[in-house]
Amino acid sequence: QTVVTQEPSFSVSPGGTVTLTCGFSSASVSTTHCPSWYQQTPGQAPRTLIYNTNIRTSGVPDRFSGSILGNKAALTITGAQADDESDYYCVLYMGVGIWVFGGGTKLSVL
Amino acid sequence: EVQLLESGGGLVQPGGSLRLSCVTSGFNFGFSFSNYAMSWVRQAPGKGLEWVATIRADSGSTYYADSVKGRFTISRDNSKNTLYLQMSSLRAEDTAVFYCVKEIGGYIGSPFDYWGQGTLVTVSS
Repeated sequence: QTVVTQEPSFSVSPGGTVTLTCGFSSASVSTTHCPSWYQQTPGQAPRTLIYNTNIRTSGVPDRFSGSILGNKAALTITGAQADDESDYYCVLYMGVGIWVFGGGTKLSVL
Repeated sequence: EVQLLESGGGLVQPGGSLRLSCVTSGFNFGFSFSNYAMSWVRQAPGKGLEWVATIRADSGSTYYADSVKGRFTISRDNSKNTLYLQMSSLRAEDTAVFYCVKEIGGYIGSPFDYWGQGTLVTVSS
């Protein structure tokens, strides 16, 4: 069973920059895995931020960016704001219609 | 804007069945529900997201997570702009909020974009 790993938690200062990652324990993430990123606040549905590695969905501020860094997918938030405090999930496409979510990163802005 | 409205959740006993529905609306620019692949994603209480199933735009192909294969069936009625998830042999570990998710394209492997607000399924005696 494929496991997708994310940092369980991360903190960033207001105005700071943070990079969250999404990867496999013993393989590399590439663009063929179509990495996507989602933001979820408590009690709310997830919101799509980034898909296909680095494409922002409509309405997502450009301080959110996606990339491949080394052997992982990455979500970078530049100029973090208080309302960025959320859970962030990535998902990777494994082929044959199968998607696997990471365990999520709880981001604190403080 | 595209809207997804799930229904059908509730309390069910272990071994029981339930059918979830997701009515969609708000498609424009000449596109409709029938142009997009659709998925179900669930989230157990206090846990992360788990992909459950996907159906292609034309209903030609369906895909399931191993955890639900053989017990859940995803289907759609393009004439009603509605997605379904038939769940049977339900277990306590199926307790979760189930989200209906629209994909960006009609093909399998198309990324998720719009999410519904979710419907809670509780499996308990």
